[in-house]
Amino acid sequence: AQSVTQLDSHVSVSEGTPVLLRCNYSSSYSPSLFWYVQHPNKGLQLLLKYTSAATLVKGINGFEAEFKKSETSFHLTKPSAHMSDAAEYFCVAPSGTYKYIFGTGTRLKVLA
Amino acid sequence: EPEVTQTPSHQVTQMGQEVILRCVPISNHLYFYWYRQILGQKVEFLVSFYNNEISEKSEIFDDQFSVERPDGSNFTLKIRSTKLEDSAMYFCASSGPFQVEQYFGPGTRLTVT
Repeated sequence: AQSVTQLDSHVSVSEGTPVLLRCNYSSSYSPSLFWYVQHPNKGLQLLLKYTSAATLVKGINGFEAEFKKSETSFHLTKPSAHMSDAAEYFCVAPSGTYKYIFGTGTRLKVLA
Repeated sequence: EPEVTQTPSHQVTQMGQEVILRCVPISNHLYFYWYRQILGQKVEFLVSFYNNEISEKSEIFDDQFSVERPDGSNFTLKIRSTKLEDSAMYFCASSGPFQVEQYFGPGTRLTVT
């Protein structure tokens, strides 16, 4: 069965420094993968998606992620953190036809 | 831009009462889902719905839960007799014909006292 593992429950970065949020997946085939963001008291917003078209995927707000099959990873990066990036980030994969499996989430804190 | 909406944003109910959480999916979408997120925990799949029937459900989705699409626009989740442990944020989602990604609503925070 498909699963995703987010390696860090909390990440703190200073404003203007790079962000790296790690995600590993387990699947016997190249899956679709997504990153969602949840700001405090808000819903889940799609940041970006990988659907086997290109391994480097660009999303909203300057985020991008690279699918690396050899490492079974789909890490989320941003060159320069902004205070507004403080949120919880979920790595998500479809499991079967009808449902998503969510990672445990990474809470990103951005320090001034 | 079309979006999924949910009402109410916050529902407080007493243990044992029935609640209905409402969702309006994006209008041309065909697949509908409910997820929940207990405070401090990960988002969990509850149920998916397609062609007026349940496609898949998790072990959480027991006989106390039901879903319905009563008209062409609404998608509801009913909890028949709420328990304290049903307190959570409930998210509705929908996806289009090719099901590539799911679009989530803002959630309904359910508090059972």
